[in-house]
Amino acid sequence: AQTVTQSQPEMSVQEAETVTLSCTYDTSESDYYLFWYKQPPSRQMILVIRQEAYKQQNATENRFSVNFQKAAKSFSLKISDSQLGDAAMYFCAYGPGTASKLTFGTGTRLQVTL
Amino acid sequence: ETGVTQSPTHLIKTRGQQVTLRCSSQSGHNTVSWYQQALGQGPQFIFQYYREEENGRGNFPPRFSGLQFPNYSSELNVNALELDDSALYLCASSSSPATSSYEQYFGPGTRLTVT
Repeated sequence: AQTVTQSQPEMSVQEAETVTLSCTYDTSESDYYLFWYKQPPSRQMILVIRQEAYKQQNATENRFSVNFQKAAKSFSLKISDSQLGDAAMYFCAYGPGTASKLTFGTGTRLQVTL
Repeated sequence: ETGVTQSPTHLIKTRGQQVTLRCSSQSGHNTVSWYQQALGQGPQFIFQYYREEENGRGNFPPRFSGLQFPNYSSELNVNALELDDSALYLCASSSSPATSSYEQYFGPGTRLTVT
């Protein structure tokens, strides 16, 4: 079974600074996708960024980028130029290539301070 | 394009009762997945519906059941409610069950409290 581990329950970053959230996963599959979702107090899960396992290049979406280390099964999220609106729970998720079921980690609560 | 909607927003039930939660999928999506998110945890996959048939199930007992309708909206039913069923229930829709390459769009969830 696939597992996703987020070892940082809480992180804090100052506005305009950079923060990195960690995630490790375990799978025996070769075809899969990795995701970072943001869940603000409104509760709605919002996709931040995704990575296809077959791509070596790390995904980037504006201020958000990932460091995907396939051999180490590591998938960290870097947020640059942090903004107050980035404050939320962040969940790392794994999705197999052969189904659309997601396995989530336990989340990291990100605080952004002035 | 209409997003994923869920009803009700909040619900309080008594142990042993039954509950039905509803989800309307995003326009054009034929696949709906349900997740349970306990307080302080990540969402856990309950089951998925594709073209009105159950298409995969997580580690949840049979008292969790569902339906999908011809318009692809879906219901989650929970019988014999237990205190541990208190959680946020999220539904997500996508355009295919076959792969995670298709983005799943989540609704705002239904907060269920069992007393």
